Amino acid sequence: DVVLTQSPLSLPVTLGQPASISCRSSQSFVSSDGITHLNWFHQRPGQSPRRLIYQISNRDSGVPDRFSGSGSGTDFTLKISRVEAEDVGVYYCMQGVHWPLTFGGGTKVEIK
Amino acid sequence: DVQLVESGGDLVQPGGSLRLSCFASGFTFSGYSMNWVRQAPGKGLEWISYISPSGDTIYYADPVRGRFTISRDNAENSLYLQMNSLRDEDTAVYYCSNGFSTRGAGHWGPGTLVIVSS
Repeated sequence: DVVLTQSPLSLPVTLGQPASISCRSSQSFVSSDGITHLNWFHQRPGQSPRRLIYQISNRDSGVPDRFSGSGSGTDFTLKISRVEAEDVGVYYCMQGVHWPLTFGGGTKVEIK
Repeated sequence: DVQLVESGGDLVQPGGSLRLSCFASGFTFSGYSMNWVRQAPGKGLEWISYISPSGDTIYYADPVRGRFTISRDNAENSLYLQMNSLRDEDTAVYYCSNGFSTRGAGHWGPGTLVIVSS
C-alpha cells in the first residue's frame, strides 16, 4: 500500500501568519495518463471533509487563493499564505492512483 | 449544486448486517465513479470501496473485502453499501464521495453513523 506520512501532526498557528503541511509518500503515484493524483482535504470539527486541491495544485471552486498545493514525485506541500480562523481543523492528503486508495494521517491546525 | 446524502446508519450487533444508501443530485451520477470512505470515532479517513460509473469495476479495502458489497443504480442516482458480518471495528461514520482526483469530483455527503455493539 502507498503510505502517506504527514507532518507535523499538530500545527498551532497565529492568525494572519503562513502555515505549511508536508505529505511524503512511500512511492510515487502517477496514473497512466501521466497525472499525479495527490489531493488535499480539509475537515472542520463535526463536518464532512471538503476537497481543497486536486492533482497536486488545482484549487477547487470556491477555495480561497490563500491555499496552494505543490510538489512532485513523493514530496508534496499544502500552504496557507495567511491563516484565518475558519482554517482550523484537520487536513488530509490522499493519493488516488494505487489500490487501496490511501489518506495521510492528518494534520490538525489550531489557532495559537 | 452537488448533493450527496447518506442514510441507513444504525446501531447493530456484531455479526449483523446493514445496508447504506447514498442519494446523489446536482450532477450526472452515471458519469462519475463513486466511493465509500469511513471514519472511526476520533480517527482519520479510511477509503473502503470504489465502483466505476457503469458498475463494472469494483475495488475494496482489505478490512472489508468479502463482507461488504458496493453497488449502484444509475437510474435512481443511488449508491449502496451492503455490510455483512459486521464487527466492532466497523463502527464509524460512513461517507460517500463522487471521486477524489478530477475536476467536478471531490464532493462528500454529511455521512451516516454505523455503531456495531452488543
